[in-house]
Amino acid sequence: DIVLTQAPLSVSVTPGESASISCRSSKSLLSSKGITSLYWYLQRPGKSPQLLIYQMSNLASGVPDRFSSSGSETDFTLKISKVETEDVGVYYCGHRLEYPRTFGGGTKLELK
Amino acid sequence: EVQLVESGGGLVQPGASLKLSCVASGFTFSDYWMSWVRQTPGKTMEWIGDIKYDGSYTNYAPSLKNRFTISRDNAKSTLYLQMSNVRSEDTATYYCTRGHQWGQGVMVTVSS
Repeated sequence: DIVLTQAPLSVSVTPGESASISCRSSKSLLSSKGITSLYWYLQRPGKSPQLLIYQMSNLASGVPDRFSSSGSETDFTLKISKVETEDVGVYYCGHRLEYPRTFGGGTKLELK
Repeated sequence: EVQLVESGGGLVQPGASLKLSCVASGFTFSDYWMSWVRQTPGKTMEWIGDIKYDGSYTNYAPSLKNRFTISRDNAKSTLYLQMSNVRSEDTATYYCTRGHQWGQGVMVTVSS
C-alpha cells in the first residue's frame, strides 16, 4: 500500500499569515497518463471532508485561490495564504493512483 | 445538487452484522463508481472499497475484504455496505462518496 505521511501533525497560525502542510508519499504518484494523483481535503469541525485540490495542483470548484499546492512525484506541499477563520480544520492528503486508496494522517490547523 | 445520505448506523455488539445504506440524489447514480470511506474516532481516514457503476466489480481494502461487502441498487439509487463479524476497531463514522463528494456520514459504535 502507498503510505502518505503528513507533517506537521498540527499547526497554529495567526490570521492573515500563511501556513504550509507537507505530504510525502512512499511511492511516486505520477501515473502513466502523466497525472499526479494527489488530492487535498479539508474537514472543518463537525463537517464532512471537502475537496480542495485535485491532481496535485488544480483548485477544486469554489475553493479560494488562497489555497495552492505543488510538488514532485513523492513530495507535496499545500500552502494557505492569508489564513482565515474558515480555514480551521483538519487537512488530509490522499491518492487515487492505485488500489487501495490511502490517506495521510491529517494535519490540524488552528488559529493563534 | 448532489446529495448522499447515509443511514443504518448505531450501537452494535461485537460479532454482529450491520448494513449501511446511502441514498443518492441529484445525479444519475448508475453512471458513477461509488465508494465507502470511514473515519475512526482518532480521525484516521480509511478507504473501505468501491463499486463499479453497474455493480459488476468491486475493490476492497485488503484488511476488510473478508468481512465487508459493497453492493448497490441502481433502481433505488442506493449504495450499501454490509459489515459482518464487527469488531471494536470498526467503530467509526462511515462516509459514502461519489468521487470527491462525501455524504454527511453515519456513526457505527461496536461495543458490548
